[in-house]
Amino acid sequence: DAMVIQNPRYQVTQFGKPVTLSCSQTLNHNVMYWYQQKSSQAPKLLFHYYDKDFNNEADTPDNFQSRRPNTSFCFLDIRSPGLGDAAMYLCATSRTDRVGYQPQHFGDGTRLSIL
Amino acid sequence: ELKVEQNPLFLSMQEGKNYTIYCNYSTTSDRLYWYRQDPGKSLESLFVLLSNGAVKQEGRLMASLDTKARLSTLHITAAVHDLSATYFCAVDIWGGGADGLTFGKGTHLIIQP
Repeated sequence: DAMVIQNPRYQVTQFGKPVTLSCSQTLNHNVMYWYQQKSSQAPKLLFHYYDKDFNNEADTPDNFQSRRPNTSFCFLDIRSPGLGDAAMYLCATSRTDRVGYQPQHFGDGTRLSIL
Repeated sequence: ELKVEQNPLFLSMQEGKNYTIYCNYSTTSDRLYWYRQDPGKSLESLFVLLSNGAVKQEGRLMASLDTKARLSTLHITAAVHDLSATYFCAVDIWGGGADGLTFGKGTHLIIQP
């Protein structure tokens, strides 16, 4: 089945140690998103790629970076994780076309813990 | 700044009862989404509402959209335990269809036997 796959499902890192989360998709969607969801809160958009164009939300900390080397893959890099960055990170994809708008499809998420 | 408000944030109800979750948003948008999230899991798309007056139904859930009132509702009919989850409504941030979603805080729904 076509889907959005996030790896790893659980990631533990040390305070200040860089970490990379990955997302791949087989849906051939042109837009990919990263959301941060802290415990009992709503998902919050960090940034997204529209094709190769990177769009950063104004309040996303500089500590968070992203890469999209091709249509299928997108990475979230956290350069120096702090305790406040512990959260579930959700990758989502969507496709925009003239026929209609598709809902965003979410991966299963990566739960990040900081020691 | 786009604001999306859901209420109630917490709802405990008995099986067999009906209830409605409300979602208000602060900007003009003709696209609204409902998602379901089970504990520790990701988001599952329930409904996409694309125009004023849109109504969609799936099983015991029915969603509607009133763009003039900037209001969407998610109605639960004859609730069953399996519907226990957190329900989020979301709106396109800039209305452009590809700019990401702003979510409400979610309604944590518990359905008791």
